[in-house]
Amino acid sequence: QVQLQQWGAGLLKPSETLSLTCAVHGGSFSDYYWSWIRQSAGKGLEWIGEINHSGDTNYNPSLKSRVTISIDTSKNQFSLRLISVTAADTAIYYCGRRRTNNRDPWFDPWGQGTLVTVSS
Amino acid sequence: SSYLTQDPAVSVTLGQTVRITCQGDSLNTYYASWYQQKPGQAPILVIYSKNNRPSGIPDRFSGSSSGNTASLTITGAQAEDEADYYCNSRDNSGNLHVVFGGGTKLTVL
Repeated sequence: QVQLQQWGAGLLKPSETLSLTCAVHGGSFSDYYWSWIRQSAGKGLEWIGEINHSGDTNYNPSLKSRVTISIDTSKNQFSLRLISVTAADTAIYYCGRRRTNNRDPWFDPWGQGTLVTVSS
Repeated sequence: SSYLTQDPAVSVTLGQTVRITCQGDSLNTYYASWYQQKPGQAPILVIYSKNNRPSGIPDRFSGSSSGNTASLTITGAQAEDEADYYCNSRDNSGNLHVVFGGGTKLTVL
């Protein structure tokens, strides 16, 4: 059974860079897209972007200018980097495995979530 | 449109049936998937690609779709079903981006 374990800094100052990593335990690493999703307090879910084992990426257009998702296939890990953070980036960040039937996307499983707070 | 719209809150009497809906232009092309999220927990997948249940999800959860609207139905709602529910699908831009609905808070009375 696939499990995702994520970690990274939880407190940042405005203009700093958010960095999170997600490790994939069990299952195939090469057959899926690996995603980041965030959730602001009391709000809904926002897809940030995704990467596959070949390094192909897709990003949310609203974040694309600030986001980089990378992958380390030797460690079965993928990472999120978000530059120039502001208070609006304060959220719980989740990693997830994105599956598809070549049309519809769904996420299963999810990581445990990391609360990232941006405050001066 | 890139957006999926959900009712913010829905309530159901214990044991009764409830339908949670998700509307968006992209649902004319793609099927929705559904997630349950309880306070302090990560979302879990309950329905994928219209009406497929992952293993371990009770069969009281089902999905359907008609036109630009997807629905999650809970038949015989239980107290433990009280949670936030989110839909997701692709947007309609042709760029394979993913979108989520704003979520529906389900209260079981």
